[in-house]
Amino acid sequence: QLQLQESGPGLVKPSETLSLTCSVSGASISSSSHYWGWIRQPPGKGLECIGSVHYSGIPYDSPSLKSRVAISIDMSNNQFSLSLSSVTAADTAVYYCARLSYSSGRYYFDLWGRGTLVSVSS
Amino acid sequence: EIVMTQSPATLSVSPGERATLSCRASQSVYSNLAWYQQNPGQAPRLLIYDASTRATGIPARFSGSGSGTEFTLTIASLQSEDFAVYYCQQYYDWYTFGQGTRLEIK
Repeated sequence: QLQLQESGPGLVKPSETLSLTCSVSGASISSSSHYWGWIRQPPGKGLECIGSVHYSGIPYDSPSLKSRVAISIDMSNNQFSLSLSSVTAADTAVYYCARLSYSSGRYYFDLWGRGTLVSVSS
Repeated sequence: EIVMTQSPATLSVSPGERATLSCRASQSVYSNLAWYQQNPGQAPRLLIYDASTRATGIPARFSGSGSGTEFTLTIASLQSEDFAVYYCQQYYDWYTFGQGTRLEIK
């Protein structure tokens, strides 16, 4: 059974870089049929997609966050990672990792991790 | 950016009754639309993709319809575990979510 688990610091200082890792179990991250991505949800607010990456390295990042986001894949450890630079309090959110599957010419999010809260504060 | 608008913001329905949730896109997303259910403190769960295809393991009481800019999620005969927040999401052009509909017990 496929499972995704986020890990990383729960507190990051303003202007620093937020770094999270998603460990995938029950399936190989090197599947050609899937992308792997990140979504966030500020407390009490809606959902925002951050970006995704294919095992081949092809990225698909948020137009609004693109300059601050880097998503990478580590096939040897079956995990992928998120880096978000120059963070501010507005980046405080629950961060989810997720798998994307293909259908009808597009990829959609079909399985999510449980999420991890990251707070940005000095 | 494609804006997704859900209505109503809150829907009060009695257990055993039918719930109808709406989602509108600011431009056509064809059938590239998904519905998610989120319970407090939990990750969203995929219910429907491609506007009308139920995800694996989703009960038949959940159904989706629509295409283009107008979409509907219908939950027939509400069960206690169905009272949650529901989000629609388009994946035609990047990914954007609606603001959510809270389904509460009447």
